[in-house]
Amino acid sequence: AQSVTQPDIHITVSEGASLELRCNYSYGATPYLFWYVQSPGQGLQLLLKYFSGDTLVQGIKGFEAEFKRSQSSFNLRKPSVHWSDAAEYFCAVGARGGGADGLTFGKGTHLIIQP
Amino acid sequence: DTEVTQTPKHLVMGMTNKKSLKCEQHMGHRAMYWYKQKAKKPPELMFVYSYEKLSINESVPSRFSPECPNSSLLNLHLHALQPEDSALYLCASSLLILETQYFGPGTRLLVL
Repeated sequence: AQSVTQPDIHITVSEGASLELRCNYSYGATPYLFWYVQSPGQGLQLLLKYFSGDTLVQGIKGFEAEFKRSQSSFNLRKPSVHWSDAAEYFCAVGARGGGADGLTFGKGTHLIIQP
Repeated sequence: DTEVTQTPKHLVMGMTNKKSLKCEQHMGHRAMYWYKQKAKKPPELMFVYSYEKLSINESVPSRFSPECPNSSLLNLHLHALQPEDSALYLCASSLLILETQYFGPGTRLLVL
């Protein structure tokens, strides 16, 4: 079965500083990988996705992520964070298994922006 | 347009009540999903419909009953829920299974 690990539960970054959120996945074949962001009490918004092709993918709000097969990683980056980026970030893998087809999420990383 | 709508936004119900959550999309997507999200936890998949066919997550109690009347609508019928079922219930849709999923804003459910 597939799994996703986000090793950082909380990350604090100063406004204007760069950001990297880590994500590692476990899946036998090439996975479909996603990053979603969730503000408190809200649904999930898609930031970016990787299906195949170029391993560096660009997303909305200035985010990018790089797929590294050798490291089973799909880390999210942003060169300069804004206070509005404070939210919960989920990495997810889309794969078949367990009798149902859907997304398996990591536990999330809570991003705090300090002035 | 990548909008998935969910009603109601909030729902409070007793353990003997019967209620339903509704999800709607008009993007022509043929796969729809229900997720349950407890506070400070990631969403957990409950049900998947693909071309109106149900894939059941075996760990979901029978007090949750999904229904897909057509390719645009997805309901979740609730009966005899427990307080531990209180959570944010998220609906999502995708063009096909394993394609990008678009999420609705969720229904926040409180079971008393």
